[in-house]
Amino acid sequence: QVHLQESGPGLVKPSETLSLTCTVSDGSISNYYWNWIRQPPGKGLEWIGLIYYTGSTNYNPSLKSRVTMSVDTSRKQFSVRLSSVTAADTAVYYCARGDDSSGFYYVDYWGQGILVTVSS
Amino acid sequence: QSVLTQPPSVSGAPGQRVTISCTGSSSNIGAGYDVHWYQQLPGTAPKLLIYGNSNRPSGVPDRFSGSKSGASASLVITGLQAEDEADYYCQSYDSSRYYVFGTGTKVTVL
Repeated sequence: QVHLQESGPGLVKPSETLSLTCTVSDGSISNYYWNWIRQPPGKGLEWIGLIYYTGSTNYNPSLKSRVTMSVDTSRKQFSVRLSSVTAADTAVYYCARGDDSSGFYYVDYWGQGILVTVSS
Repeated sequence: QSVLTQPPSVSGAPGQRVTISCTGSSSNIGAGYDVHWYQQLPGTAPKLLIYGNSNRPSGVPDRFSGSKSGASASLVITGLQAEDEADYYCQSYDSSRYYVFGTGTKVTVL
């Protein structure tokens, strides 16, 4: 069973850059899509973007100007950076695995999530 | 920014059948893109419930079923149980090249 674990600061100041890393264990990082999804407190899910293990990316157009994702296959980690954060970026951030091997693309494994608060 | 609309809440007594709708448009579900459903129990990460419109992953009870028609999809829980009380989200792809989630539905077991 694949295990995903988010890590990074839980508090970020406004206008600064949020940086999170997800470590993949008990499974391969190859041949999968690696997603970041967030959920503001008490609200719904928002897809931030994904990175394929080869490094190709696809970002949510609403966040594209502020998002950068990277992957390190040797360390089985992938990361997200979100620049110029505001209070609206306060959320639980999930990393998750995307799989299309069945012919359908869906997210099948999720990390436990990490709460990131934007505040001075 | 959700472009998939779900009812905010549905409820039912144990054993009853409840249906959650997910309404999209011609740029996502109506364009033929698949719909997936996730269950989020309180305080936990979402869990895949239905993939490819109507397929259940291993371990998901068969009281959960999904369907898709036109620009909408539905999740049906037949024989509602107390442990089904959770938030449910649909998800699809939009032709603007991004993945979208529904607004979410809270299921309450009376």
